[in-house]
Amino acid sequence: KAGVTQTPRYLIKTRGQQVTLSCSPISGHRSVSWYQQTPGQGLQFLFEYFSETQRNKGNFPGRFSGRQFSNSRSEMNVSTLELGDSALYLCASSAQPSGGEQETQYFGPGTRLLVL
Amino acid sequence: AQKITQTQPGMFVQEKEAVTLDCTYDTSDQSYGLFWYKQPSSGEMIFLIYQGSYDEQNATEGRYSLNFQKARKSANLVISASQLGDSAMYFCAMREYTSGATNKLIFGTGTLLAVQP
Repeated sequence: KAGVTQTPRYLIKTRGQQVTLSCSPISGHRSVSWYQQTPGQGLQFLFEYFSETQRNKGNFPGRFSGRQFSNSRSEMNVSTLELGDSALYLCASSAQPSGGEQETQYFGPGTRLLVL
Repeated sequence: AQKITQTQPGMFVQEKEAVTLDCTYDTSDQSYGLFWYKQPSSGEMIFLIYQGSYDEQNATEGRYSLNFQKARKSANLVISASQLGDSAMYFCAMREYTSGATNKLIFGTGTLLAVQP
């Protein structure tokens, strides 16, 4: 089975621009989560989607948005980029949201975004 | 508020020796899960091991085992027979269940492990 794929792997943008990152989950997985990883803040949860619905959202400004398509692929968008948005953006997929049992999330290789 | 604490920013271990990476957590929930992930320099997070709060046995996965002490709220990762390929960043993470089905993980700050030949 193919793993989680993320595109692009690397991206350079300038302040004020917007960016769209894409994530394709493992085949059969319907839950997708996004995380931001920076040296200063560590790994922080952005949002979680299941069956095209946002189920959970982290503490990020409205410039960060996402969506999920009927084939479970997900995109996240960051508008009006700031220098502090430079980070590794990780996508994770699982079969479904966990209700108390082990539901392992499998991560993709990430997209490294650099904002100049 | 839920929190994961990893107090060891970096550690060295000799090849073939065992090493313990510390993780303590804070939660008021009774139902939660604890995970360990490995992140090589390439960036991808690799799942290693899981421990549920109601699991009475310590989890084991090959060379990885989890020393779960619920009363102390600790979930230390033990890597036996370290290999050079184990050099990476290791993250402890927690998921709470009582607020509803979710995959949201809270991560610790990580421990950078260097395996020396």
